[in-house]
Amino acid sequence: DAKTTQPTSMDCAEGRAANLPCNHSTISGNEYVYWYRQIHSQGPQYIIHGLKNNETNEMASLIITEDRKSSTLILPHATLRDTAVYYCIVSVTGTASKLTFGTGTRLQVTL
Amino acid sequence: EAGVAQSPRYKIIEKRQSVAFWCNPISGHATLYWYQQILGQGPKLLIQFQNNGVVDDSQLPKDRFSAERLKGVDSTLKIQPAKLEDSAVYLCASSLDLSTVSTQYFGPGTRLTVL
Repeated sequence: DAKTTQPTSMDCAEGRAANLPCNHSTISGNEYVYWYRQIHSQGPQYIIHGLKNNETNEMASLIITEDRKSSTLILPHATLRDTAVYYCIVSVTGTASKLTFGTGTRLQVTL
Repeated sequence: EAGVAQSPRYKIIEKRQSVAFWCNPISGHATLYWYQQILGQGPKLLIQFQNNGVVDDSQLPKDRFSAERLKGVDSTLKIQPAKLEDSAVYLCASSLDLSTVSTQYFGPGTRLTVL
């Protein structure tokens, strides 16, 4: 699986958009980009994933660059409850899929 | 729909003692995972089951760790004997089947402290 690089920490004001970047310059053509988050004292929670096209769901949007070497997770209106560690993971899908977590980005949402 | 259940939530033991953790996955989920998360790090996969068979246990320290999922539903992870470096949160996760490995549902974890 390709490795990812994320900033160690970020701050965001409540109500503003949180943009979390991820570099995955060695991603293969059949690897997806997944995002999970882990709120303090809880297990990780799936957020979103994508291959090439931008994706949006009720939690977030995922923007993947055309060369697929980087992506950005966007929380459009961050709240205090979005304070968590966000993990960007690249992996194939299907039976060969494996989630390899790095250290992630610690997002602190403030008033 | 009930989530992944784990017990106990916290456990404190002395080194060289044994300990066991229990996990009950989401109903109908065939694939079950155990992860170890050391403070400040991301979760690390220890073992993956598909029903009652092991799919991947390459990162399980087999000299002291064991896991089973005898009836293909709930699972137990055991450490015997425990070492100080085993202090961590042990997370259980499940997914519908091997085709949805990337979408896993995690339990709250068991925090183990080895003194």
